[in-house]
Amino acid sequence: GNSVTQMEGPVTLSEEAFLTINCTYTATGYPSLFWYVQYPGEGLQLLLKATKADDKGSNKGFEATYRKETTSFHLEKGSVQVSDSAVYFCARTSGNTPLVFGKGTRLSVIA
Amino acid sequence: NAGVTQTPKFQVLKTGQSMTLQCAQDMNHEYMSWYRQDPGMGLRLIHYSVGAGITDQGEVPNGYNVSRSTTEDFPLRLLSAAPSQTSVYFCASSYGTPSTNEKLFFGSGTQLSVL
Repeated sequence: GNSVTQMEGPVTLSEEAFLTINCTYTATGYPSLFWYVQYPGEGLQLLLKATKADDKGSNKGFEATYRKETTSFHLEKGSVQVSDSAVYFCARTSGNTPLVFGKGTRLSVIA
Repeated sequence: NAGVTQTPKFQVLKTGQSMTLQCAQDMNHEYMSWYRQDPGMGLRLIHYSVGAGITDQGEVPNGYNVSRSTTEDFPLRLLSAAPSQTSVYFCASSYGTPSTNEKLFFGSGTQLSVL
């Protein structure tokens, strides 16, 4: 089937630490891949996306590379800040199916 | 620029009561959808619509009805609320369908408790 699997949280890091949040997907065809972020008390908002293999999405210091060979789209940031504390969702779409989200990973960054 | 507006922000219901969660967008988006967010479950799609007069079921449609009489509005109806429907509900919209890589715009959510 079509699904998205994310590493379970919560993830707690100190400020300026390196962040990786793993995401793998299963899908028929060639999905587009997304990372959405949810700050406390808000709805989700698009962080970055990649639409084909080897594409790298980037925004606000976050990056993710579409790896077809490992069916992965891991989110990375070199130096996290307290303001990055949020819940991060990996998502994919393929064909005419609506967006499918992973379960979310909560990140807490402490000063 | 209002974006996606959801009302109410909070609601408490008794089992068996009915209510409608409102969602409106002012961006002329064709695609609208409703998700529920539960701890450990992430976001699950309830219903969606690709345009006025067209609706379809998502992953967890039971207990919910929708209609799309205008492009702007996509209300979600609970006909007989149950405690299992306690959740945070998000409405989302986009210009095209997500399958065309269109960015989804989310409302700020409705927190519903059913006692």
